Amino acid sequence: GENVEQHPSTLSVQEGDSAVIKCTYSDSASNYFPWYKQELGKRPQLIIDIRSNVGEKKDQRIAVTLNKTAKHFSLHITETQPEDSAVYFCAAIPSGAGSYQLTFGKGTKLSVIP
Amino acid sequence: NAGVTQTPKFQVLKTGQSMTLQCAQDMNHNSMYWYRQDPGMGLRLIYYSASEGTTDKGEVPNGYNVSRLNKREFSLRLESAAPSQTSVYFCASSEGQGWDEKLFFGSGTQLSVL
Repeated sequence: GENVEQHPSTLSVQEGDSAVIKCTYSDSASNYFPWYKQELGKRPQLIIDIRSNVGEKKDQRIAVTLNKTAKHFSLHITETQPEDSAVYFCAAIPSGAGSYQLTFGKGTKLSVIP
Repeated sequence: NAGVTQTPKFQVLKTGQSMTLQCAQDMNHNSMYWYRQDPGMGLRLIYYSASEGTTDKGEVPNGYNVSRLNKREFSLRLESAAPSQTSVYFCASSEGQGWDEKLFFGSGTQLSVL
């Protein structure tokens, strides 16, 4: 089955700096890569996703890049703000699989220091 | 439109006690899931229901049972709670129309087994 590794497990940045979280996956058939954000004590929520026919996707201050050859994808947050402090989970799923086969990384706790 | 509603939010059990976690969604979704979240372990799938009338095991099903009561409701039962089941439990749902779907999570249940 799919294996998703996420790094780093914790990340501290100064407000205004950029943050990058990286994930690698094992199944070359994976074609959908969502990112979920979980604020302290809250539920995970989808913030951005990317499909394998796209190399990069942006949404305001967040972006995700995908390198299918190397089997890794990354979340980029620019101009970080205190409200970006949360745990971020990457995930991957092979095309045509059931949505229950979504495999999550172990999470990255991002702290933005004012 | 409440989304995914879970009850209870907190629960303390003694080893050997039983309990049922309730989950309901009002988005007319076909698929529902139960995940557990442990520190440093990410989100792990316990059971899922791809559609009304079906249930199946996920990655960590031992010690749990589920019931898809109807299209809206999906419950998780611990028959004989063990300290290893201390965790945060999340119910989730998705449309169930494809493999690359957004998951909608409930607010979670923090369970402690003493």
